[in-house]
Amino acid sequence: DTAVSQTPKYLVTQMGNDKSIKCEQNLGHDTMYWYKQDSKKFLKIMFSYNNKELIINETVPNRFSPKSPDKAHLNLHINSLELGDSAVYFCASSRATREETQYFGPGTRLLVL
Amino acid sequence: QQQVKQSPQSLIVQKGGIPIINCAYENTAFDYFPWYQQFPGKGPALLIAIRPDVSEKKEGRFTISFNKSAKQFSLHIMDSQPGDSATYFCAAGSSNTGKLIFGQGTTLQVKP
Repeated sequence: DTAVSQTPKYLVTQMGNDKSIKCEQNLGHDTMYWYKQDSKKFLKIMFSYNNKELIINETVPNRFSPKSPDKAHLNLHINSLELGDSAVYFCASSRATREETQYFGPGTRLLVL
Repeated sequence: QQQVKQSPQSLIVQKGGIPIINCAYENTAFDYFPWYQQFPGKGPALLIAIRPDVSEKKEGRFTISFNKSAKQFSLHIMDSQPGDSATYFCAAGSSNTGKLIFGQGTTLQVKP
């Protein structure tokens, strides 16, 4: 059973398009995260949600909007995609905000042309 | 103050060698220091973690050494194997927020 899953695995799109990435965890965790890993492998947190409530909102352009329909799902919608958005996006979850171990999904590789 | 500096950027060792990866942080509010291992095409996975109240933690072949006064910590991999070839990330976090700040990563290659 996959603990943290993401769809799609690959996403190739044109500049200016809008796209969504979905994340689901079946671990029963309360907290979920979105991270961006750039071409140099630098990993940076973007958002975190705890029980559908936004907890962390880093300095991310407004074009990025997370949505948590329930505590097992955290989706990421990106408007007006730019070349610089090309990266690998990882979803992660932890049992609670104060529970340190974060479990990462397999990543979504986004390429903006 | 939120940065975590990791070195070296890449490391090549022979099988059986002991690669050492170093990290330094500035924010004294950090109280959790994990190391993550990432294989190509996969997400990072927690390897080992330490809290600042201990100076060393060992799990199998992996050891974290922690120097609170110097605000530095390091990962040692004993008897390294080709299967250890991966990218290693240190991180620092605050258990209050769950926010992790990652180092820049170290790509390790263990030659047979």
